[in-house]
Amino acid sequence: GENVEQHPSTLSVQEGDSAVIKCTYSDSASNYFPWYKQELGKGPQLIIDIRSNVGEKKDQRIAVTLNKTAKHFSLHITETQPEDSAVYFCAAIARGGGADGLTFGKGTHLIIQP
Amino acid sequence: DSGVTQTPKHLITATGQRVTLRCSPRSGDLSVYWYQQSLDQGLQFLIHYYNGEERAKGNILERFSAQQFPDLHSELNLSSLELGDSALYFCASSVNTWTSGDEQFFGPGTRLTVL
Repeated sequence: GENVEQHPSTLSVQEGDSAVIKCTYSDSASNYFPWYKQELGKGPQLIIDIRSNVGEKKDQRIAVTLNKTAKHFSLHITETQPEDSAVYFCAAIARGGGADGLTFGKGTHLIIQP
Repeated sequence: DSGVTQTPKHLITATGQRVTLRCSPRSGDLSVYWYQQSLDQGLQFLIHYYNGEERAKGNILERFSAQQFPDLHSELNLSSLELGDSALYFCASSVNTWTSGDEQFFGPGTRLTVL
């Protein structure tokens, strides 16, 4: 089955700086890669996703890149703000390959220092 | 607010007991997924239902079962509870296709504590 590795487990950045979180996956059949943000006491919130026919996708201050050859994808947050502090999860799945659920990374605790 | 609702928010029970967690998907979504989140295992897929039918099982214990009703709400039943079952349980729903990988929207979760 799929295995997703996520790094780093904790990331502390100064407000206004950029943050990058990286994930690798093992199953070459995976073709859909969402990112979730989880705040304390809440459920994971989908913030951006990318499909394997695209190399990069942007939405305001967040962007995701995908390298299918190397089997890794990354989340980039620019101009970080205090409200960006949360735990971020990457995930992977093979769309159309069955009806399994998402395989998640272990999460990155992002801390924005004022 | 994702539009997915879960009840109850918190549940405290004793070992050996049985509980039922409830999930209502977003309006129009036919797929419901259940996930377990714990400190040691992270977020793990348990089971997927589409329009009332079981589609896939993940790391779901035999003591756990689920069903999806005609009105599309789903219930996760946990029996013979053990201390290690203490965790957050989330459901997620997605658009009306049976294949996985469409955007999944998560509910607020049920925190289960087994004493």
